[in-house]
Amino acid sequence: DVKVTQSSRYLVKRTGEKVFLECVQDMDHENMFWYRQDPGLGLRLIYFSYDVKMKEKGDIPEGYSVSREKKERFSLILESASTNQTSMYLCASSTPTRLAWGGDTQYFGPGTRLTVL
Amino acid sequence: KNEVEQSPQNLTAQEGEFITINCSYSVGISALHWLQQHPGGGIVSLFMLSSGKKKHGRLIATINIQEKHSSLHITASHPRDSAVYICAGPQGGSEKLVFGKGTKLTVNP
Repeated sequence: DVKVTQSSRYLVKRTGEKVFLECVQDMDHENMFWYRQDPGLGLRLIYFSYDVKMKEKGDIPEGYSVSREKKERFSLILESASTNQTSMYLCASSTPTRLAWGGDTQYFGPGTRLTVL
Repeated sequence: KNEVEQSPQNLTAQEGEFITINCSYSVGISALHWLQQHPGGGIVSLFMLSSGKKKHGRLIATINIQEKHSSLHITASHPRDSAVYICAGPQGGSEKLVFGKGTKLTVNP
Protein backbone atom coordinates (compact mmCIF):
# COMPACT_ATOMS: atom_id res chain seq x y z
CA ASP A 1 0.00 0.00 0.00
CA VAL A 2 1.23 3.44 -0.94
CA LYS A 3 1.62 5.64 2.05
CA VAL A 4 1.96 9.41 2.04
CA THR A 5 2.36 11.00 5.44
CA GLN A 6 2.34 14.63 6.48
CA SER A 7 4.08 15.93 9.56
CA SER A 8 1.04 17.45 11.27
CA ARG A 9 -2.75 17.17 10.98
CA TYR A 10 -3.34 20.54 12.62
CA LEU A 11 -1.01 23.50 12.98
CA VAL A 12 -1.51 26.97 14.44
CA LYS A 13 1.08 29.65 13.68
CA ARG A 14 1.39 33.40 14.08
CA THR A 15 1.66 35.96 11.30
CA GLY A 16 5.26 36.37 10.20
CA GLU A 17 6.47 32.97 11.41
CA LYS A 18 8.38 30.66 9.09
CA VAL A 19 6.40 27.45 8.67
CA PHE A 20 7.60 24.07 7.46
CA LEU A 21 5.18 21.42 6.23
CA GLU A 22 6.74 18.04 5.56
CA CYS A 23 5.57 15.22 3.35
CA VAL A 24 7.06 11.74 3.09
CA GLN A 25 6.11 8.95 0.67
CA ASP A 26 7.27 5.35 0.83
CA MET A 27 6.68 4.20 -2.75
CA ASP A 28 9.77 5.59 -4.46
CA HIS A 29 7.64 7.98 -6.51
CA GLU A 30 9.46 10.54 -8.61
CA ASN A 31 6.64 13.10 -8.65
CA MET A 32 5.48 14.98 -5.59
CA PHE A 33 2.95 17.78 -5.31
CA TRP A 34 1.81 20.38 -2.80
CA TYR A 35 -1.78 21.66 -3.00
CA ARG A 36 -3.93 23.94 -0.95
CA GLN A 37 -7.65 23.42 -0.70
CA ASP A 38 -10.09 26.20 0.13
CA PRO A 39 -13.90 26.14 0.22
CA GLY A 40 -15.38 26.94 -3.17
CA LEU A 41 -11.99 26.89 -4.89
CA GLY A 42 -11.07 23.23 -4.92
CA LEU A 43 -7.52 21.94 -5.05
CA ARG A 44 -4.91 24.34 -6.37
CA LEU A 45 -1.33 23.37 -7.14
CA ILE A 46 1.35 25.30 -5.28
CA TYR A 47 4.49 23.45 -6.39
CA PHE A 48 5.41 20.26 -8.18
CA SER A 49 8.67 18.30 -8.04
CA TYR A 50 9.55 15.68 -10.62
CA ASP A 51 12.89 14.62 -9.15
CA VAL A 52 15.29 15.35 -6.32
CA LYS A 53 16.23 19.03 -6.28
CA MET A 54 13.87 19.68 -9.23
CA LYS A 55 10.80 21.82 -8.84
CA GLU A 56 8.23 23.62 -10.90
CA LYS A 57 5.85 26.38 -9.89
CA GLY A 58 2.19 25.58 -9.87
CA ASP A 59 -0.76 27.94 -10.10
CA ILE A 60 -0.26 29.77 -6.78
CA PRO A 61 3.43 29.72 -5.74
CA GLU A 62 3.57 33.22 -4.28
CA GLY A 63 4.53 33.22 -0.62
CA TYR A 64 5.72 29.61 -0.73
CA SER A 65 8.93 27.76 -1.45
CA VAL A 66 9.76 24.06 -1.52
CA SER A 67 12.67 21.75 -0.88
CA ARG A 68 13.33 18.25 -2.16
CA GLU A 69 16.69 17.00 -0.96
CA LYS A 70 15.67 13.34 -0.86
CA LYS A 71 13.37 11.45 -3.16
CA GLU A 72 10.91 10.47 -0.44
CA ARG A 73 10.57 13.89 1.20
CA PHE A 74 9.03 17.10 -0.13
CA SER A 75 8.82 20.14 2.13
CA LEU A 76 6.64 23.20 1.75
CA ILE A 77 7.92 26.38 3.35
CA LEU A 78 5.92 29.48 4.16
CA GLU A 79 8.67 32.09 4.47
CA SER A 80 6.54 34.55 6.43
CA ALA A 81 3.11 33.19 7.21
CA SER A 82 0.11 35.42 6.58
CA THR A 83 -3.54 35.03 7.50
CA ASN A 84 -4.50 34.41 3.86
CA GLN A 85 -2.41 31.25 3.98
CA THR A 86 -4.83 29.70 6.44
CA SER A 87 -5.94 26.62 4.54
CA MET A 88 -5.86 22.84 4.19
CA TYR A 89 -2.55 21.72 2.66
CA LEU A 90 -2.37 18.40 0.86
CA CYS A 91 0.65 16.56 -0.42
CA ALA A 92 0.51 13.92 -3.15
CA SER A 93 2.89 11.68 -5.04
CA SER A 94 2.81 9.74 -8.30
CA THR A 95 5.02 7.88 -10.72
CA PRO A 96 5.95 9.56 -14.00
CA THR A 97 3.15 8.82 -16.36
CA ARG A 98 3.50 6.24 -19.09
CA LEU A 99 0.07 7.18 -20.33
CA ALA A 100 -0.45 9.03 -23.59
CA TRP A 101 -2.84 11.47 -22.00
CA GLY A 102 -0.69 12.48 -19.05
CA GLY A 103 -0.97 12.48 -15.27
CA ASP A 104 -1.19 9.13 -13.58
CA THR A 105 -2.96 8.35 -10.29
CA GLN A 106 -1.87 10.58 -7.44
CA TYR A 107 -1.71 9.32 -3.87
CA PHE A 108 -2.61 11.86 -1.23
CA GLY A 109 -1.53 12.44 2.33
CA PRO A 110 -4.11 13.10 5.08
CA GLY A 111 -3.68 16.88 4.90
CA THR A 112 -2.51 19.57 7.31
CA ARG A 113 -5.02 22.15 8.42
CA LEU A 114 -2.98 25.30 8.98
CA THR A 115 -4.35 28.30 10.84
CA VAL A 116 -2.36 31.54 10.80
CA LEU A 117 -3.39 34.01 13.49
CA LYS B 1 -13.48 29.55 -16.83
CA ASN B 2 -12.34 26.44 -15.01
CA GLU B 3 -11.11 23.72 -17.32
CA VAL B 4 -12.95 21.08 -15.31
CA GLU B 5 -16.53 21.83 -14.29
CA GLN B 6 -18.61 19.68 -11.97
CA SER B 7 -22.30 19.59 -11.23
CA PRO B 8 -24.08 19.70 -8.95
CA GLN B 9 -22.06 21.47 -6.26
CA ASN B 10 -24.14 19.90 -3.52
CA LEU B 11 -26.33 16.82 -3.60
CA THR B 12 -28.53 15.33 -0.90
CA ALA B 13 -30.05 11.89 -1.34
CA GLN B 14 -31.93 9.29 0.63
CA GLU B 15 -30.33 5.95 1.32
CA GLY B 16 -30.88 3.59 -1.59
CA GLU B 17 -31.18 6.26 -4.29
CA PHE B 18 -29.23 6.18 -7.55
CA ILE B 19 -26.83 9.11 -7.72
CA THR B 20 -25.17 10.81 -10.68
CA ILE B 21 -22.41 13.40 -10.54
CA ASN B 22 -21.34 15.10 -13.75
CA CYS B 23 -18.02 16.46 -14.98
CA SER B 24 -17.31 18.45 -18.15
CA TYR B 25 -13.84 19.27 -19.28
CA SER B 26 -12.10 21.37 -21.88
CA VAL B 27 -9.87 20.78 -24.88
CA GLY B 28 -6.46 19.43 -23.90
CA ILE B 29 -7.80 16.93 -21.40
CA SER B 30 -8.30 13.43 -22.73
CA ALA B 31 -8.71 11.35 -19.59
CA LEU B 32 -10.43 11.80 -16.25
CA HIS B 33 -9.77 10.89 -12.66
CA TRP B 34 -12.51 10.55 -10.07
CA LEU B 35 -11.48 11.04 -6.44
CA GLN B 36 -13.28 10.81 -3.11
CA GLN B 37 -12.62 12.98 -0.07
CA HIS B 38 -14.17 12.05 3.25
CA PRO B 39 -14.66 14.53 6.10
CA GLY B 40 -11.27 14.90 7.75
CA GLY B 41 -9.48 15.49 4.47
CA GLY B 42 -7.99 12.28 3.07
CA ILE B 43 -8.39 11.91 -0.70
CA VAL B 44 -8.43 8.56 -2.47
CA SER B 45 -8.44 7.84 -6.16
CA LEU B 46 -11.53 5.94 -7.35
CA PHE B 47 -11.08 5.69 -11.10
CA MET B 48 -8.98 6.82 -13.99
CA LEU B 49 -10.51 6.40 -17.42
CA SER B 50 -9.94 7.58 -20.95
CA SER B 51 -12.80 5.75 -22.66
CA GLY B 52 -15.90 3.72 -21.97
CA LYS B 53 -16.90 2.68 -18.51
CA LYS B 54 -15.34 1.36 -15.31
CA LYS B 55 -17.08 -0.29 -12.38
CA HIS B 56 -15.97 -0.92 -8.83
CA GLY B 57 -18.60 -2.25 -6.48
CA ARG B 58 -21.52 0.19 -6.46
CA LEU B 59 -19.53 2.88 -8.25
CA ILE B 60 -19.61 3.27 -12.01
CA ALA B 61 -17.70 5.87 -14.02
CA THR B 62 -18.35 6.65 -17.68
CA ILE B 63 -16.65 8.97 -20.11
CA ASN B 64 -17.66 10.34 -23.51
CA ILE B 65 -14.55 11.67 -25.22
CA GLN B 66 -16.42 13.36 -28.09
CA GLU B 67 -18.69 15.28 -25.73
CA LYS B 68 -15.90 15.85 -23.16
CA HIS B 69 -18.14 14.65 -20.40
CA SER B 70 -17.84 12.10 -17.61
CA SER B 71 -20.28 10.85 -15.01
CA LEU B 72 -19.88 9.08 -11.70
CA HIS B 73 -22.83 6.95 -10.66
CA ILE B 74 -23.49 5.40 -7.27
CA THR B 75 -26.08 2.65 -7.10
CA ALA B 76 -27.99 1.83 -3.90
CA SER B 77 -26.42 4.79 -2.09
CA HIS B 78 -25.52 4.47 1.57
CA PRO B 79 -24.72 7.08 4.27
CA ARG B 80 -21.08 5.97 4.17
CA ASP B 81 -20.95 7.28 0.57
CA SER B 82 -21.27 10.80 1.99
CA ALA B 83 -18.14 12.60 0.84
CA VAL B 84 -16.86 15.16 -1.62
CA TYR B 85 -16.35 13.71 -5.09
CA ILE B 86 -13.79 15.41 -7.29
CA CYS B 87 -13.00 14.97 -10.96
CA ALA B 88 -9.62 15.91 -12.38
CA GLY B 89 -7.87 15.76 -15.73
CA PRO B 90 -4.25 15.87 -16.87
CA GLN B 91 -3.77 18.97 -18.99
CA GLY B 92 -2.12 18.41 -22.34
CA GLY B 93 -0.18 15.30 -21.42
CA SER B 94 1.29 16.93 -18.33
CA GLU B 95 2.01 15.20 -15.03
CA LYS B 96 -0.15 17.82 -13.36
CA LEU B 97 -3.90 17.51 -12.83
CA VAL B 98 -6.56 20.18 -13.17
CA PHE B 99 -9.27 19.71 -10.56
CA GLY B 100 -12.97 20.42 -10.48
CA LYS B 101 -14.31 22.16 -7.38
CA GLY B 102 -15.97 19.04 -6.09
CA THR B 103 -19.50 17.79 -5.42
CA LYS B 104 -20.51 17.41 -1.80
CA LEU B 105 -22.76 14.36 -1.46
CA THR B 106 -24.84 13.72 1.64
CA VAL B 107 -26.76 10.47 1.87
CA ASN B 108 -29.35 10.43 4.64
CA PRO B 109 -30.50 7.20 6.30
